[in-house]
This record gives sequence, structure tokens and C-alpha cells, in this order.
Amino acid sequence: SQQGEEDPQALSIQEGENATMNCSYKTSINNLQWYRQNSGRGLVHLILIRSNEREKHSGRLRVTLDTSKKSSSLLITASRAADTASYFCATDPSNFGNEKLTFGTGTRLTIIP
Amino acid sequence: EPEVTQTPSHQVTQMGQEVILRCVPISNHLYFYWYRQILGQKVEFLVSFYNNEISEKSEIFDDQFSVERPDGSNFTLKIRSTKLEDSAMYFCASRRSGINYNSPLHFGNGTRLTVT
Repeated sequence: SQQGEEDPQALSIQEGENATMNCSYKTSINNLQWYRQNSGRGLVHLILIRSNEREKHSGRLRVTLDTSKKSSSLLITASRAADTASYFCATDPSNFGNEKLTFGTGTRLTIIP
Repeated sequence: EPEVTQTPSHQVTQMGQEVILRCVPISNHLYFYWYRQILGQKVEFLVSFYNNEISEKSEIFDDQFSVERPDGSNFTLKIRSTKLEDSAMYFCASRRSGINYNSPLHFGNGTRLTVT
């Protein structure tokens, strides 16, 4: 499998439910980031978790990181129709922030009103 | 809030023609990137640029591609002789970064390149 693979590839849930997306990666990281992409638009950064952190919260977002399993999950609680988008994880190998981010394949999330 | 801007939003060109995609990164950012995405698929790294030179490039970034920062603000991607398979969304991104400072990428809204 490739560096940065999200699963599921697509997820449809009812508004108000929680959405969980998973990301697996292969190489060592300094941090892992999650991005959101609305259709036809650029990616927008959501949250960054460092390799020495296990969990991080930001509003309705909760990210976990398990470096032993090389995996991360993104939980969106109380989903809204406006959360409909594609979500990507990205691995950052550098402590200096000077290297490329490698993106996963993305999860397309659809929230049904 | 400052943002990365890209022009044009859509470019149609014939196979074999040269195209230049333009980007204005956020002004105090130091690292610049081009990524591409073929029709909603994976976001693929092309090239990174720092201190007026290429830091890293992918296998996709062959000798048909070049990047330039001709002045203090613009960052361009040139494709010398476009192929059909170059059709994609091209995203410019920048970030500030620094020692022990992990920063996210800020993306533009992309240029949709269509090669016919």
C-alpha cells in the first residue's frame, strides 16, 4: 500500500452522526496533518498532531495518532451538511518544516441532511 | 487572513504547447510547493522550492517542467510541451516553517489545466 492511505475511500452518514476516517502511513514522521478539500477547491488545513502526541482536539474535530501502528484517525462529531468534502491526511517527516508533505488518497465524506 | 492566489483558474491548451501557471504565495512564507491532482484523485507532490532553488522534486517533475521565482512575490510553474496526461488541477502551496516550528501548508485554489 502507498504512504498515506485513508479508509474508507467514501463515507455517507446522516447529519448529526459522527464520522471517523482513518489514515495509515509507512515511514517515520515528525507530525501528521489533516486537510479538507471542497469540490474543485484547494486543500485547507484542519489540524496538526506531532509524533509525541496521542490525541488532539479542535472544536468538533478529534485526531488520534498511534506511531507504533503508523496510523491516525480523524473524528468529526455532530456532523453537518457543510462538512461534506474530501479529507486527506498528510505526513511531514521534518522537524524543520522544510520537506514535502506526502498526502494520502483521501476519504470522500457525504453528510445527508 | 493572507492567502495563496493562483492564476488562471482554468487553462485550456493544445498538446505540445507551453503553459505557465502562476502563484502568489503568502508574503512571509519561505517554502513553496507545487502539487497536482488528477480528477479528484491523490494529491501528488511535484516540486519544492526554497531560497531560490529547487529543494526536492518528484519523478513526475521531468525536464519538461520548471519553476521560477522571478521576483519577490510570484512563483511560477512552466510546462514546456504539454501532454494529454498533464491534464490535472495544479496547486501551489506555501509555508513559513523554521527550526522546531511545524507549520501547515497553505494552498491556493488551483489551476485546472486541460490539454486537448
